[in-house]
Amino acid sequence: DAGITQSPRHKVTETGTPVTLRCHQTENHRYMYWYRQDPGHGLRLIHYSYGVKDTDKGEVSDGYSVSRSKTEDFLLTLESATSSQTSVYFCAISELGGQRTEAFFGQGTRLTVV
Amino acid sequence: GENVEQHPSTLSVQEGDSAVIKCTYSDSASNYFPWYKQELGKGPQLIIDIRSNVGEKKDQRIAVTLNKTAKHFSLHITETQPEDSAVYFCAALQAGTALIFGKGTTLSVSS
Repeated sequence: DAGITQSPRHKVTETGTPVTLRCHQTENHRYMYWYRQDPGHGLRLIHYSYGVKDTDKGEVSDGYSVSRSKTEDFLLTLESATSSQTSVYFCAISELGGQRTEAFFGQGTRLTVV
Repeated sequence: GENVEQHPSTLSVQEGDSAVIKCTYSDSASNYFPWYKQELGKGPQLIIDIRSNVGEKKDQRIAVTLNKTAKHFSLHITETQPEDSAVYFCAALQAGTALIFGKGTTLSVSS
């Protein structure tokens, strides 16, 4: 398995509180992504990073912010969690270069906002 | 941006039958199309992919076809087995930077 660790794996938080999810990789891949998975919606891109301090918005970025201060870490922050952000969050990494296009996914973080 | 449509959302087959899942994409500049399999409680894993300069690719019981003109691609699984039961996602690489996924197909193979 690709070296991707998501933490925490499970979290329950209250509406209005800030939450930070962490993705850590040991593969030195350039690209890192945050997706959310919801029934009937598949995997939707939240934000992604193409290098240290280089990030861009995805399909469903409202209410989320990200930071990447080191190649190996990509943080997703919910500034003020809402019940609509209850979801399973997946981090992914990729090189997107030549034959190394495959994206590898972490095990996911189940977030419940009550 | 890229938009990927996937059908059907659920598919039930008997063991040994074939299964076909179809996807369409909107951005003609997309050039990489992977398929992922997700088992319960796990992250998606790549099972096969195809690039826009290839029309078909096979890997044992799995094949993917691509029609660039029509902007659609399909996953074919032959001789299905119970362990093929999972959620399958198609995706397209948007602007060379990020994968955009379809909504997924839940495949059930009954023995």
